[in-house]
Formats: sequence, C-alpha cells, structure tokens
Amino acid sequence: EIVMTQSPATLSVSPGERATLSCRASQSISRNLAWYQQKPGQAPRFLIYDTSTRATDIPARFSGSGSGTEFTLTISSLQSEDVAVYYCQQYNDWPPLTFGGGTKVEIK
Amino acid sequence: EVQLVESGGGLVQPGGSLRLSCAASGFIFSNFWMSWVRQTPGKGLEWLANIKPDGSEKYYVDSVKGRFTISRDNAKNSLYLQMNSLRAEDTAVYYCGKNGRTFQYWGQGTLVSVSS
Repeated sequence: EIVMTQSPATLSVSPGERATLSCRASQSISRNLAWYQQKPGQAPRFLIYDTSTRATDIPARFSGSGSGTEFTLTISSLQSEDVAVYYCQQYNDWPPLTFGGGTKVEIK
Repeated sequence: EVQLVESGGGLVQPGGSLRLSCAASGFIFSNFWMSWVRQTPGKGLEWLANIKPDGSEKYYVDSVKGRFTISRDNAKNSLYLQMNSLRAEDTAVYYCGKNGRTFQYWGQGTLVSVSS
C-alpha cells in the first residue's frame, strides 16, 4: 500500500500571500496524484488531477507540481474562501487508492 | 448538474448490517466507475470500494473486504454499499463518488454510527 504523507499539518498564511502544501508518496506514483479541498461541514471538492491539471471551475490561483514521490499544491494568493483542509490522493498503484492525512489552511 | 445523494445511514449495533444507497443524476450513470469513500475524525479519508460501469469488476480496501459489498443498478441510476459485521471503527461519514480512481463529484455523505 502506498502511504501518502502531507505537511505541514496546519498552515497559517496572510491574505494575499502564497500557500505551499506538500505531499509525499512512500514510493513513486509518477504523476498520478489528485488534490481535494474540504471546507467545514462540506464534502471534499475535486481540485487537481494528474498532478497539475485543474478540475472544472477551479480558479487559476491553485496550481500543482511534482512527480515521483514529491508533490506540491500552491495557492498563489490566499483568499478567505480558501480556508479549508486539503488532501492529496494517489491513483498510480491500487487497490487501495490512498489519501494523505490533510493540511489545514487558515488565515493568519 | 451532477448530483449524488446518499441515504441509509444511521445507528447500528456492533455486528449489525446496513445498506447505503447513492442516487445519481446529471450524467450517464452507466458509463462511469463509481466509488465509496468514508471519513472518520481519526483516520481521515479512506477509499473503500469501486465498481466498473457494468458491475463486472469490483475492488475493495482490505479493511472491509469480505464484510462490505459494492453494487449498482444502472436502470435506477443507483449505487449501493451493503455493510455487514459492522464494528465500532466503521463509524464514519460515508460518501459516494463519481469515477473510480479520482473522485470528480461527491455526495453530501451519510453518517453511520456503530455503537451498543
């Protein structure tokens, strides 16, 4: 089973500043990585797939990068509505499909 | 507009059974893999199972294999999860998801509580 590890657990960022979230896979997953955003009381929302392709209607301030075992989600200019928990998920080697533990993004 | 609506959650005793349903609309259900994912405070998001469009292939995470069964009825645009031999650690919010490897759309979730 591929273990996904996210860091940091919590990230505090000032409005308008850049937020950088990390996700590490226990073995290479090529670029088969997705990101999700979950706001309090809501279901997760699909943000990015294939490491860097934004899903439908996702703002351009969200971008993804990486390959192999190291991946990054960047929010270029944090908005108040971006406060959420962000999860990465690998789909290179399954079953099982596996998620990271999440990074909580809050406003500083 | 894609909509996924889960139902069937509730309180059940350890060892009991529950059947979850997911009603899908806004897309051609019979063309897509579908999945179940659950979320607990302690373990975060956990993929449970997925099923091929025609139902001929099903995959499970080890923790539910042999206890949970995923199925679908394409005529009713519905996805199901039969859960047997439930344990306290199965307490979670259960989501259905569109697609089999990534989850493009999610339902609002249904809460399953396993307790005596």
